Amino acid sequence: AQSVTQLGSHVSVSEGALVLLRCNYSSSVPPYLFWYVQYPNQGLQLLLKYTSAATLVKGINGFEAEFKKSETSFHLTKPSAHMSDAAEYFCAVSDRGSARQLTFGSGTQLTVLP
Amino acid sequence: NAGVMQNPRHLVRRRGQEARLRCSPMKGHSHVYWYRQLPEEGLKFMVYLQKENIIDESGMPKERFSAEFPKEGPSILRIQQVVRGDSAAYFCASSPAVGGASYEQYFGPGTRLTVT
Repeated sequence: AQSVTQLGSHVSVSEGALVLLRCNYSSSVPPYLFWYVQYPNQGLQLLLKYTSAATLVKGINGFEAEFKKSETSFHLTKPSAHMSDAAEYFCAVSDRGSARQLTFGSGTQLTVLP
Repeated sequence: NAGVMQNPRHLVRRRGQEARLRCSPMKGHSHVYWYRQLPEEGLKFMVYLQKENIIDESGMPKERFSAEFPKEGPSILRIQQVVRGDSAAYFCASSPAVGGASYEQYFGPGTRLTVT
């Protein structure tokens, strides 16, 4: 079964600083990978996805993530944090086979300090 | 193009009552997924449906929970005889049919169920 590990349930950065949110997956076959953002009392919004094309994926709001097969990682980065980036971020994987359910990590709460 | 719609947004039920959660997928989407988010946790898959078919219900509790996606109308997640442990946010997601799929799922705003 797929599993996703997000290191750090809470991350704090200063406004303008680099954002790095970590995600590792467990799968012998590279899955599809996603990052979602959730603002309080709202649904999830897709930030970006990896489905087998370029390993460096650019998403919305200046976020990007790099797929590293050797490290089974898909870390999310943003060069300069903005106050509006404060939210919860979820990494998710989906099997490349017929199963299409998403398996989510436990989430990382990002706080941006002024 | 309207997004995924869920209603109600908030639902309060007493122990033993039934809860019905509705989900209308995005226009043109024929695949629906239900996820549950318990407090301080990530989302957990419950069930995957296509029109008139349950494709994968491996995440559904064996008792009291059921889901359907009829030919006409929204998908329904039904919880019978609710207990306090059912209190959670329930999210619906939809995706296009296989073939053109990028496998991304679009999420609704969720229904927050509180059992008193």
